[in-house]
Amino acid sequence: GQQLNQSPQSMFIQEGEDVSMNCTSSSIFNTWLWYKQDPGEGPVLLIALYKAGELTSNGRLTAQFGITRKDSFLNISASIPSDVGIYFCAGRDNFNKFYFGSGTKLNVKP
Amino acid sequence: DGGITQSPKYLFRKEGQNVTLSCEQNLNHDAMYWYRQDPGQGLRLIYYSQIVNDFQKGDIAEGYSVSREKKESFPLTVTSAQKNPTAFYLCASTARGWHTDTQYFGPGTRLTVL
Repeated sequence: GQQLNQSPQSMFIQEGEDVSMNCTSSSIFNTWLWYKQDPGEGPVLLIALYKAGELTSNGRLTAQFGITRKDSFLNISASIPSDVGIYFCAGRDNFNKFYFGSGTKLNVKP
Repeated sequence: DGGITQSPKYLFRKEGQNVTLSCEQNLNHDAMYWYRQDPGQGLRLIYYSQIVNDFQKGDIAEGYSVSREKKESFPLTVTSAQKNPTAFYLCASTARGWHTDTQYFGPGTRLTVL
């Protein structure tokens, strides 16, 4: 299957700092999605992006659908301890299949 | 409340036994998916179904089987042929249509084969 490269793999930051993570693909996607997963739970959708160039915010989270349709980034501003978790990107192809990055593990020090 | 339910949350089975994981959704979504997640890794697609009575193999279908007799239900059977079945299994569903292709997940089932 298609591979999504998600970076960084993990981050250790201080509370209040901003965070940025991104995903790149070898193929174009029609949709980019960003999820947060807590241990032992299912991923929870944070932001959905449907159009190349689209920039969408959800509270302190901002994500963009890259112009080439092969990449996306997620920014978290003013991080707080409850932001701790694993963040996944996902892309949808023309056949309604979804492909996932390997995740970015975020640690926030109070 | 609308959503996706998976049961049970934790499942233990002896090696060599088949086991079926339940997934039900009341979101009226057409498409349903099964993923496998191993520690520290992303999600890998096992099977997916775009419509009732139809399903396709994903990237790691060997040792698994599914059925889609009802729109609301997409059970996954982990057979004895699956060499390494211990994992966290996630079910998801998606509404079809332009700008509604967003995938939602259930809470997951952790399967441990002893």
